Amino acid sequence: EIVMTQSPATLSVSPGEGATLSCRASQSVSSNLAWYQQKPGQAPRLLIYGASTRATGIPARFSGSGSGTEFTLTISSLQSEDFAVYYCQQYNNWPPSMYTFGQGTKLEIK
Amino acid sequence: QVQLQESGPGLVKPSETLSLTCAVSGYSISSGFYWGWIRQPPGNGLEWIGSIYHSGSTYYNPSLKSRVTISVDTSKNQFSLNLSSVTAADTAVYYCARQPGYSSGWHAFDIWGQGTMVTVFS
Repeated sequence: EIVMTQSPATLSVSPGEGATLSCRASQSVSSNLAWYQQKPGQAPRLLIYGASTRATGIPARFSGSGSGTEFTLTISSLQSEDFAVYYCQQYNNWPPSMYTFGQGTKLEIK
Repeated sequence: QVQLQESGPGLVKPSETLSLTCAVSGYSISSGFYWGWIRQPPGNGLEWIGSIYHSGSTYYNPSLKSRVTISVDTSKNQFSLNLSSVTAADTAVYYCARQPGYSSGWHAFDIWGQGTMVTVFS
């Protein structure tokens, strides 16, 4: 099983500032990495797939980078609606097999 | 637009079978994509349960494989989850979601249902 480790667990940032969230895989997942945003009481929302491709309708202030085992989600100029929990997920196997998620990073208002 | 909606009992007794259905609107399951189930215990992270193709091909999380059955009903444009011999550890919000197939080159879950809370409680 590929273990996904996110850091930090909680990140406190002021609105208007930028935020960098990290995700590490226990073994290479190439670029088969997605990022999701989840707000309380809501389903996760796909932000990034293929490590760096924004999903439909996702603002340009969200960007993803990395490959192999190290990945980063960067949010520039945080808006109030960006404060949420963010999860990374690897989908390295095809057909579907043992997809795993990170434990999440809570982005909170400082 | 494409929408997914989970339905099923909110309470299940220990040792019984949890059964949920995901109704898909705005898209025909038979047209492609894979369709998955993901769960989230209260206050915890996400766990992939399994996925199915419209042909009926299924793929399961090895840790749950012995208890999970996912099926598809193309005539009703829905797919279902059965999880047998449930315990309190199966208490979670259960989500259904759409997953692009091989030809897309990427397989993240792009559209999700709102989720349904299932509590295992005697």
